[in-house]
Amino acid sequence: AQKVTQAQTEISVVEKEDVTLDCVYETRDTTYYLFWYKQPPSGELVFLIRRNSFDEQNEISGRYSWNFQKSTSSFNFTITASQVVDSAVYFCALSGAPTGANSKLTFGKGITLSVRP
Amino acid sequence: GAGVSQTPSNKVTEKGKYVELRCDPISGHTALYWYRQSLGQGPEFLIYFQGTGAADDSGLPNDRFFAVRPEGSVSTLKIQRTERGDSAVYLCASSRQGNQPQHFGDGTRLSIL
Repeated sequence: AQKVTQAQTEISVVEKEDVTLDCVYETRDTTYYLFWYKQPPSGELVFLIRRNSFDEQNEISGRYSWNFQKSTSSFNFTITASQVVDSAVYFCALSGAPTGANSKLTFGKGITLSVRP
Repeated sequence: GAGVSQTPSNKVTEKGKYVELRCDPISGHTALYWYRQSLGQGPEFLIYFQGTGAADDSGLPNDRFFAVRPEGSVSTLKIQRTERGDSAVYLCASSRQGNQPQHFGDGTRLSIL
């Protein structure tokens, strides 16, 4: 069985602060995929990133960066110089494959990030 | 539009009624997924279609829930004899075959009175 734990429930920061959102996962699959999605107040889930289990390189995209560590089963997400528009619920998710029968996503409970001006 | 379209955006009905929720995936996406999101929770998987067939329906909570995708494009999630516990946001996602992430619609907010 797959499981995603997002221990933080709510985080509040002041604009321009850096913030890290934690994600810990459990799976028995040797090949798996990790995701982060953003859910703004409008409700739509917006895809941010996907990493596969064979690629532990950290990734940076603008103000966003991700740290994948298989040794600790973690896939953490850092927002640098946070902005008010970053306020949203952030979900970490896990799947066994990108397509096919094992492609369903298992989500964590989400972290509500509030960025104050 | 270019994204996943779900209708209606909101549905309010009485306990015991039958409801249908519609999902129109992104053109060319062969994989389609339904999820249910309760307040304060992450989405939970319901059913997965590859083309016209339900490849995995292990997430459907009971036999009151059923989904179809007869022509491999639009899908309808059907709920019979609705209960108050069915109240949630029902999300649809689609993806292209071969190594692409799932893209989500805005969801249908279902309220059972």
